[in-house]
Amino acid sequence: GESVGLHLPTLSVQEGDNSIINCAYSNSASDYFIWYKQESGKGPQFIIDIRSNMDKRQGQRVTVLLNKTVKHLSLQITATQPGDSAVYFCAEFMFSGGYNKLIFGAGTRLAVHP
Amino acid sequence: DSGVTQTPKHLITATGQRVTLRCSPRSGDLSVYWYQQSLDQGLQFLIQYYNGEERAKGNILERFSAQQFPDLHSELNLSSLELGDSALYFCASSAGGSSYNEQFFGPGTRLTVL
Repeated sequence: GESVGLHLPTLSVQEGDNSIINCAYSNSASDYFIWYKQESGKGPQFIIDIRSNMDKRQGQRVTVLLNKTVKHLSLQITATQPGDSAVYFCAEFMFSGGYNKLIFGAGTRLAVHP
Repeated sequence: DSGVTQTPKHLITATGQRVTLRCSPRSGDLSVYWYQQSLDQGLQFLIQYYNGEERAKGNILERFSAQQFPDLHSELNLSSLELGDSALYFCASSAGGSSYNEQFFGPGTRLTVL
């Protein structure tokens, strides 16, 4: 498959451990955030979202935490599996240049080892 | 499979040339978004169309243009190509016109400019 972001920060975890991926966003006025997963050779895939009126949102094996004070998002994956290996992007919904649009972070590569 | 299709999967061309990338959104989706993903810049939003009309603009160069046709498929035209235009180009679609709507990404087109 295609390689994306060869020089991305990498988080290496053992299968079964919990993973935490962090993201700093840029605009204190952003009110909606999304985590995407991108597997090799594929397009980004929606994982979970959170609005700014929430601090925490849980999905299946994933939790997103939002700290607006320090403009920080985190994605927690419980019992990480080999299939979780991918690049993870946070995205913020921002008003910029006269338009509302999604702005993506640089991404973090998650490598899960058996 | 997101339901979004993109053609071609790979495209190799020379500097100065012009290419057209094609995207078919998920059935029923009215919005199409174009993104560029390069190794050093991550995912960059280019442009959004909603029901045939331009809705939002991002970091799209003047050499690039897009349109959405009455059947809702979209084309991204890249002209006077430069080496730096080599990247993955993703199309995404959503049901509504707002970026708050979940975006579903296609598999991408890999453009290589030689």
